[in-house]
Amino acid sequence: EAQVTQNPRYLITVTGKKLTVTCSQNMNHEYMSWYRQDPGLGLRQIYYSMNVEVTDKGDVPEGYKVSRKEKRNFPLILESPSPNQTSLYFCASTPLTGNEQFFGPGTRLTVL
Amino acid sequence: GQNIDQPTEMTATEGAIVQINCTYQTSGFNGLFWYQQHAGEAPTFLSYNVLDGLEEKGRFSSFLSRSKGYSYLLLKELQMKDSASYLCALGNPDKLIFGTGTRLQVFP
Repeated sequence: EAQVTQNPRYLITVTGKKLTVTCSQNMNHEYMSWYRQDPGLGLRQIYYSMNVEVTDKGDVPEGYKVSRKEKRNFPLILESPSPNQTSLYFCASTPLTGNEQFFGPGTRLTVL
Repeated sequence: GQNIDQPTEMTATEGAIVQINCTYQTSGFNGLFWYQQHAGEAPTFLSYNVLDGLEEKGRFSSFLSRSKGYSYLLLKELQMKDSASYLCALGNPDKLIFGTGTRLQVFP
């Protein structure tokens, strides 16, 4: 089944404890993105990647890192999480020749 | 910024037609997207307009006017399952700017 998977789906952590949210797609898509969704602010892009080893900042990259060592994986890294990073996070992928973004199921992160 | 505006909430009756508007203040984008998002779930793609005009897809249609900075999503023959948030977004497939979304409630 063609899909985007994220892990974990739910995470409660404490300030300063490094964490990684994994994202994987099995559709051989070139483009991948990370978004966060907050009430009243909508979906905002954190980082995106146009292909392996090619990443760029979105609108809200502060406090986040990403890597794209393989085409299928695009992990989101929070080196030192803070409470303002409590949010719902979505990973998405798009083929080079397509328009539709395929979203993962989301990761609900709480930073205490 | 792109300043994408949508109504926050709308209500409608089952079987009716509803139009959700989206206005924006930018010309620098490739296309306009509409997504549906049920509470607690991931957004799902509904439509993509590149050129001005109407794109029809079953019960859903989307319209774009670049000169007016305006788009709408038209939902016909509303069903209870259409209760969801509808997100307007501008940009390219790899880089999207979303509006804050319109929460639609469909009543029997």
